[in-house]
Amino acid sequence: QKEVEQDPGPLSVPEGAIVSLNCTYSNSAFQYFMWYRQYSRKGPELLMYTYSSGNKEDGRFTAQVDKSSKYISLFIRDSQPSDSATYLCAMMGTNAGKSTFGDGTTLTVKP
Amino acid sequence: DSGVTQTPKHLITATGQRVTLRCSPRSGDLSVYWYQQSLDQGLQFLIQYYNGEERAKGNILERFSAQQFPDLHSELNLSSLELGDSALYFCASSTKTQETQYFGPGTRLLVL
Repeated sequence: QKEVEQDPGPLSVPEGAIVSLNCTYSNSAFQYFMWYRQYSRKGPELLMYTYSSGNKEDGRFTAQVDKSSKYISLFIRDSQPSDSATYLCAMMGTNAGKSTFGDGTTLTVKP
Repeated sequence: DSGVTQTPKHLITATGQRVTLRCSPRSGDLSVYWYQQSLDQGLQFLIQYYNGEERAKGNILERFSAQQFPDLHSELNLSSLELGDSALYFCASSTKTQETQYFGPGTRLLVL
């Protein structure tokens, strides 16, 4: 079993929809939770970075972490065609900088 | 542009050969990470260096090695290449461990 499981998708939504992307994990040592966006196999770009449980909002993006359920989510409001990309969740413990990534969810936002 | 640079962008080589991938971190970043992304395995952490010293190791093969130099740039050496080593190799950097990692554009390696 993988340490991080990500909803595989692909996901296709109309422009303006609310998108929910989700990951579960098994390692209770994870304390840092990240979401990256990757366009066409280019370098991943950090979207959200959260420490421990709670919510964090940045513009149209909201990250939620529920450590009790070992579940994290990324919500995208008013989705745009430019949001079409692969979204990767990633998690990190406290002892080192090793990040464990989910396999990614490919999102397509149709105009 | 993340500020992390990687060279070369593309590399085509044959099985059994050895290649070196280079990464320059963002100015001021002390930590460098290497990742491998293949089509069927997602993004896999290989190794991390912090200020010249190895800090964390992932599923890095014995045929692969890395180092970080005094000027903080890093090199990933891949030897005895196999077809399965074909992948995107990303470098990322951060100011310290547990800080935000910024990814470079990657090196696309094709082993024929």
